[in-house]
Amino acid sequence: GAGVSQSPSNKVTEKGKDVELRCDPISGHTALYWYRQSLGQGLEFLIYFQGNSAPDKSGLPSDRFSAERTGGSVSTLTIQRTQQEDSAVYLCASSFGPSGANVLTFGAGSRLTVL
Amino acid sequence: DAKTTQPNSMESNEEEPVHLPCNHSTISGTDYIHWYRQLPSQGPEYVIHGLTSNVNNRMASLAIAEDRKSSTLILHRATLRDAAVYYCIRPRKLTFGQGTILTVHP
Repeated sequence: GAGVSQSPSNKVTEKGKDVELRCDPISGHTALYWYRQSLGQGLEFLIYFQGNSAPDKSGLPSDRFSAERTGGSVSTLTIQRTQQEDSAVYLCASSFGPSGANVLTFGAGSRLTVL
Repeated sequence: DAKTTQPNSMESNEEEPVHLPCNHSTISGTDYIHWYRQLPSQGPEYVIHGLTSNVNNRMASLAIAEDRKSSTLILHRATLRDAAVYYCIRPRKLTFGQGTILTVHP
């Protein structure tokens, strides 16, 4: 596609429910990144994929968070048993590869509100 | 330490140049410096990147210190639409700092 697509754009859920957030990267981009941004804060790194593998998932805040990527394309971030502190904008980015020469293109984000 | 250090906020007047500094004193020889900006309620967007030499594009210029321990993003004539949070990052380290909030006054 022309850009990085994320869905849903907005999600309101109740505490304790599971949620899935989807990221569709730019075609041909092998690297995919998930970040979280709480209100008024900077970007917090969650996980990085190269192809279908996740060489760095050091930023996942707890075992309630997991992510997968299939076919070297679409990625899903799953949050189980959501808590109010999970409320944030979840941003996905992709790039041609992990080289620092490659530019990150971000999606518009998925805003998650946990009541 | 993968962090970059930027001032929390800066202000400018419209039509004036803006110099946004970034410190990356622990950068390695192969690490690029990237700048992104985030407008309100949007995802970050790419501004410019470089390795050793100064870089120019239609949006901005990037001046990289000779020792590569710091860099400066230059907006030659600030407009109201340039008001955003500006992030300086080392992409191989995957971390963003708090960025610099740029306010542009009419």
